[in-house]
Amino acid sequence: DTGVSQDPRHKITKRGQNVTFRCDPISEHNRLYWYRQTLGQGPEFLTYFQNEAQLEKSRLLSDRFSAERPKGSFSTLEIQRTEQGDSAMYLCASSHTGTGGRIDYGYTFGSGTRLTVV
Amino acid sequence: SQKIEQNSEALNIQEGKTATLTCNYTNYSPAYLQWYRQDPGRGPVFLLLIRENEKEKRKERLKVTFDTTLKQSLFHITASQPADSATYLCAFSGYALNFGKGTSLLVTP
Repeated sequence: DTGVSQDPRHKITKRGQNVTFRCDPISEHNRLYWYRQTLGQGPEFLTYFQNEAQLEKSRLLSDRFSAERPKGSFSTLEIQRTEQGDSAMYLCASSHTGTGGRIDYGYTFGSGTRLTVV
Repeated sequence: SQKIEQNSEALNIQEGKTATLTCNYTNYSPAYLQWYRQDPGRGPVFLLLIRENEKEKRKERLKVTFDTTLKQSLFHITASQPADSATYLCAFSGYALNFGKGTSLLVTP
């Protein structure tokens, strides 16, 4: 297992187009997270999954954003009708929770997908 | 609302000195916090986790403290090296990690 993989690394799209990003987490991890990061800011939480269940999605930036994790494996983040303000780095991370949801280790992040909307 | 604050200004120190980064939080009672390192164009890399009932955690040249009274965490890098130059992020527990903006550290030879 080589860590968290994100694809593509870079995406340039025209305003109004739809884009989809893929994340392959560490296989032993049961949680998967999506974050957005803009220049000079820390990662901003968007949504997360435990196995295939999406447990929190209220922080998705608008109804143009959606995420899926079919069968609890890889995940996709889709942005519909992209706007210039969507330009950012989109980060995926995974983690493992122990008994009772206990966190003993940090998240493992991918290298991100850099989105540029022109 | 919950707020996490890290030194907004970059920290410049000389090689061999100890770097100390600060993270403060308000309106929040986290069960644990974590520190990450981020290099340009890369995702954050996990460094240390400390729980609310732990005062201090160490890993090699790194040390983290967690003061729930002051609502503050300090992150120390001893014997700093130019390779330690990066942005350091603190993050607090919630249903997912909530990150600060990060502090840029530059270690000069």
